[in-house]
Amino acid sequence: NSKVIQTPRYLVKGQGQKAKMRCIPEKGHPVVFWYQQNKNNEFKFLINFQNQEVLQQIDMTEKRFSAECPSNSPCSLEIQSSEAGDSALYLCASSLSYGEQYFGPGTRLTVL
Amino acid sequence: TQTVSQSDAHVTVFEGDSVELRCNYSYGGSIYLSWYIQHHGHGLQFLLKYYSGNPVVQGVNGFEAEFSKSDSSFHLRKASVHWSDSAVYFCAVSANSGGSNYKLTFGKGTLLTVTP
Repeated sequence: NSKVIQTPRYLVKGQGQKAKMRCIPEKGHPVVFWYQQNKNNEFKFLINFQNQEVLQQIDMTEKRFSAECPSNSPCSLEIQSSEAGDSALYLCASSLSYGEQYFGPGTRLTVL
Repeated sequence: TQTVSQSDAHVTVFEGDSVELRCNYSYGGSIYLSWYIQHHGHGLQFLLKYYSGNPVVQGVNGFEAEFSKSDSSFHLRKASVHWSDSAVYFCAVSANSGGSNYKLTFGKGTLLTVTP
């Protein structure tokens, strides 16, 4: 079973508000991913880190989304100004082995 | 560009039946293929993966999957399902470029319902 911890499990924000969620990856896993899963089960890769450095990110995350993975602290994903379309399940995953990722339970964001 | 297709949105079987969940992919290079399970209200759980070697790979809870290069497929199977196997199953691909840092591209998932 995965040991990735995500908080909070549920987050409700108004449009324009900041939304911040956190992730503690499995110990010893150097790579951390953030995905967005919408209600239609479509996944969107947002960003990933290796040892605190950004590896890849999509354009969306460069504008309203920010993320960091400092050493000795939880990783975080923050939406600066939430929009209704941001309502989704945000999944954090960590990885040690090729092609194998371990997911947390997710943070379900609802933007009213 | 990687794409993953899961042709069945919903599969219903009886407990004790066998089941096969279909996955087809397209990608021009070397890839990892994997399956994940998501129970309602939870995150994804890794089931198994394939990269090379024996095309039939074993996973947790009695699941196995078979890779076919000619069919571009990686179908998931279980010989005898249990009610607790009811969940959404996702097939995923990621590029094999020598590191663990490559994103997963998921199919749209297959909802498996196991009836008693």
